[in-house]
Amino acid sequence: DAGVIQSPRHEVTEMGQEVTLRCKPISGHNSLFWYRQTMMRGLELLIYFNNNVPIDDSGMPEDRFSAKMPNASFSTLKIQPSEPRDSAVYFCASSPLLGGQGANEQFFGPGTRLTVL
Amino acid sequence: DAKTTQPNSMESNEEEPVHLPCNHSTISGTDYIHWYRQLPSQGPEYVIHGLTSNVNNRMASLAIAEDRKSSTLILHRATLRDAAVYYCILIFLFGSNQFYFGTGTSLTVIP
Repeated sequence: DAGVIQSPRHEVTEMGQEVTLRCKPISGHNSLFWYRQTMMRGLELLIYFNNNVPIDDSGMPEDRFSAKMPNASFSTLKIQPSEPRDSAVYFCASSPLLGGQGANEQFFGPGTRLTVL
Repeated sequence: DAKTTQPNSMESNEEEPVHLPCNHSTISGTDYIHWYRQLPSQGPEYVIHGLTSNVNNRMASLAIAEDRKSSTLILHRATLRDAAVYYCILIFLFGSNQFYFGTGTSLTVIP
């Protein structure tokens, strides 16, 4: 298996532009997570899905952020409009759901480094 | 939501054992204790997890206190490749909860 795939790996955009980050989870995994990492705040969970359904989005910073999972093999995280403070590394992770959320390890993608000028 | 507390940094000599502590005094009965590590410029990597009993795998051992309010990740022989940030987090068995990775423990391995 290729692991969790994220695209793009790097994104540089200007303030006000729409940014879309993409994630392909490991085949067969039922849970998908979006994280953001900054020096100031560390690694934060933004939202996660079980069986394509959003379960907890309380970590999404504001309405400018939205995430979708239209099918089991694809998810997007969109920022519209983007701001300089959104600059961070965004990670996607997936895991099986067998036996419950906590019973399974998460597999992380390589991340997308976003820079908003 | 249950959170964890870890030291900001630790040092170890190469080929010596390393004990990384984590406090989680507000842990609930169905919270699993997970450990992940992150090497520079990479995504986090799973290390080990457990519920009540001590756990061993090829990477490390996890020692869980009897009251489950603390745990220790044990690297039996530190290598230079173990230099990373180690995160201890609690993940609820079912339902919704926030997983707080925080800032972890930065481990330096001295040759």
